[in-house]
Amino acid sequence: KAGVTQTPRYLIKTRGQQVTLSCSPISGHRSVSWYQQTPGQGLQFLFEYFSETQRNKGNFPGRFSGRQFSNSRSEMNVSTLELGDSALYLCASSKGTSVGTGELFFGEGSRLTVL
Amino acid sequence: AQSVSQHNHHVILSEAASLELGCNYSYGGTVNLFWYVQYPGQHLQLLLKYFSGDPLVKGIKGFEAEFIKSKFSFNLRKPSVQWSDTAEYFCAVFFNAGNMLTFGGGTRLMVKP
Repeated sequence: KAGVTQTPRYLIKTRGQQVTLSCSPISGHRSVSWYQQTPGQGLQFLFEYFSETQRNKGNFPGRFSGRQFSNSRSEMNVSTLELGDSALYLCASSKGTSVGTGELFFGEGSRLTVL
Repeated sequence: AQSVSQHNHHVILSEAASLELGCNYSYGGTVNLFWYVQYPGQHLQLLLKYFSGDPLVKGIKGFEAEFIKSKFSFNLRKPSVQWSDTAEYFCAVFFNAGNMLTFGGGTRLMVKP
């Protein structure tokens, strides 16, 4: 059974650019959530999607957005990149209807470096 | 704001020593509790979870955790660690009131052979 797949694995952008990250959940999982991991702030919840609807959003500026498609694949976008956006972005999928009601299966992450 | 604290950022133990990693959360009504682990070079995976019932829960690889509601704590324990337990451990709390999953800052455990 394939795990959660995130692309790209690594990318380098410059300030002001935008970036789109992709996540393919485990087959049959309809809940997808995104997290930002940095050495200083740890793991922070970005947003959660279920059946193409955003269920919740963490405390991030509007530059961070996402969406989920009918096949449960999800994308997140960060516009007008800042140096502080450099981080590992993790995607997780779950069988449950919410991030808090079941086991999360994480991908390996997309490491974004902003120069 | 709802928060989760892991007070030990780095822990170094010798093999066979006992482990206890602390996790405390701010008051926020009913919660679901998790411990996740990230082994070197691997992705995060679930160690154990607590939703209700017996406050002492057992997880994989000999880990257990105890939910103490009065102390808002969910500490992770293992009686005898092995070198292969070297990893980063994250406590996560789902606050039902806010429908929000919050992670602690993580604890890096190094087990010396």
